[in-house]
Amino acid sequence: DGGITQSPKYLFRKEGQNVTLSCEQNLNHDAMYWYRQDPGQGLRLIYYSQIVNDFQKGDIAEGYSVSREKKESFPLTVTSAQKNPTAFYLCASRASGRGPTRETQYFGPGTRLLVL
Amino acid sequence: AQKITQTQPGMFVQEKEAVTLDCTYDTSDPSYGLFWYKQPSSGEMIFLIYQGSYDQQNATEGRYSLNFQKARKSANLVISASQLGDSAMYFCAMREGRDSNYQLIWGAGTKLIIKP
Repeated sequence: DGGITQSPKYLFRKEGQNVTLSCEQNLNHDAMYWYRQDPGQGLRLIYYSQIVNDFQKGDIAEGYSVSREKKESFPLTVTSAQKNPTAFYLCASRASGRGPTRETQYFGPGTRLLVL
Repeated sequence: AQKITQTQPGMFVQEKEAVTLDCTYDTSDPSYGLFWYKQPSSGEMIFLIYQGSYDQQNATEGRYSLNFQKARKSANLVISASQLGDSAMYFCAMREGRDSNYQLIWGAGTKLIIKP
């Protein structure tokens, strides 16, 4: 089955600790995205990547880092510089090109990050 | 200024009734795309329907249809014959312009509760 997986489902972070959220897709999509969702809010873009070995900052990149070494994988690291990391994190992917099916972003199940 | 506005924070609807969720958008770009996503309590974002700015007809996908009124800049989601499983958060999003790297701008969402 093609899809997007995120792990872990829940993640706890201690003060001063870096943590990494996993996102894997087997849809052969070129573009991948990371979003943050706070309670009762819409989504805010953290980072996105259009192709392997390339990524760009979104609206709220401070305190986060990413890598894109493989097409299938786009891990997000929440660094100790992110002072308020408690949120729901969603990863998405999109096929390249134009047209409705290629503009649509498809999402993983999400990771809830909590600070201890 | 808000680019995507969802004016209904919450709605209660009787099962089997039709539902209209409002979305207005603001853009001066002639090329854009509009999306609706459903987010159940599990958290995953589920793509429902897409409307391109140049599409002549309103988009439909099963029980979902998009009432696209370009002059009014509105893209309301209509759910026919609502079901208990339709209870969820619903988000409207916009892809603005051709060179936006397909970033989406999100509304704050509407919480829909279907009553039995």
